[in-house]
Amino acid sequence: TQLLEQSPQFLSIQEGENLTVYCNSSSVFSSLQWYRQEPGEGPVLLVTVVTGGEVKKLKRLTFQFGDARKDSSLHITAAQPGDTGLYLCAGAAAGTYKYIFGTGTRLKVLA
Amino acid sequence: ETGVTQTPRHLVMGMTNKKSLKCEQHLGHNAMYWYKQSAKKPLELMFVYNFKEQTENNSVPSRFSPECPNSSHLFLHLHTLQPEDSALYLCASSQEGDPQETQYFGPGTRLLVL
Repeated sequence: TQLLEQSPQFLSIQEGENLTVYCNSSSVFSSLQWYRQEPGEGPVLLVTVVTGGEVKKLKRLTFQFGDARKDSSLHITAAQPGDTGLYLCAGAAAGTYKYIFGTGTRLKVLA
Repeated sequence: ETGVTQTPRHLVMGMTNKKSLKCEQHLGHNAMYWYKQSAKKPLELMFVYNFKEQTENNSVPSRFSPECPNSSHLFLHLHTLQPEDSALYLCASSQEGDPQETQYFGPGTRLLVL
């Protein structure tokens, strides 16, 4: 059974600080996605990475897919209160496009 | 606005009640999903429908019964639920053939079983 573990589970930081969230597995994924979910809403896709070592940037967010395609990280620069939410990674097993979701990181950015 | 709507947004039901959750997608997609999101557990895939046909049932108890009358609508019929079934139920849709099968989620139905 594939399992995606995210760390940290909870993170509370001040506005302007930088942070990194990790998504790790012992399994290889054909692609990996990051979502943000705000209270009372469903997850919203932020990015999909498909190539080992790939780095994608979305404004202050930088996403990296590990070389072996078993892990990923999300780095936020100069966090803002609007970044508050639950961050979920989801990986698709090699050879499929069926995604399993990680355990989630709940981020709170204080003004 | 994600293009996927769910009703009701909140539901409280007793263990002997029968209720239904509704999902509608306005994106022209041909695949729809039900997920369960509980506290302290990863998002769990329950059912997948492609072109109105159920293609996946992730060992979900029979007290949950999905229905997909067309590619835009998805229902989850609930009966004799247990308190541990209390959770956020999320619907999602995607386009079969999209290489990355990006899923678009609805806002969810928050269910409380008493």
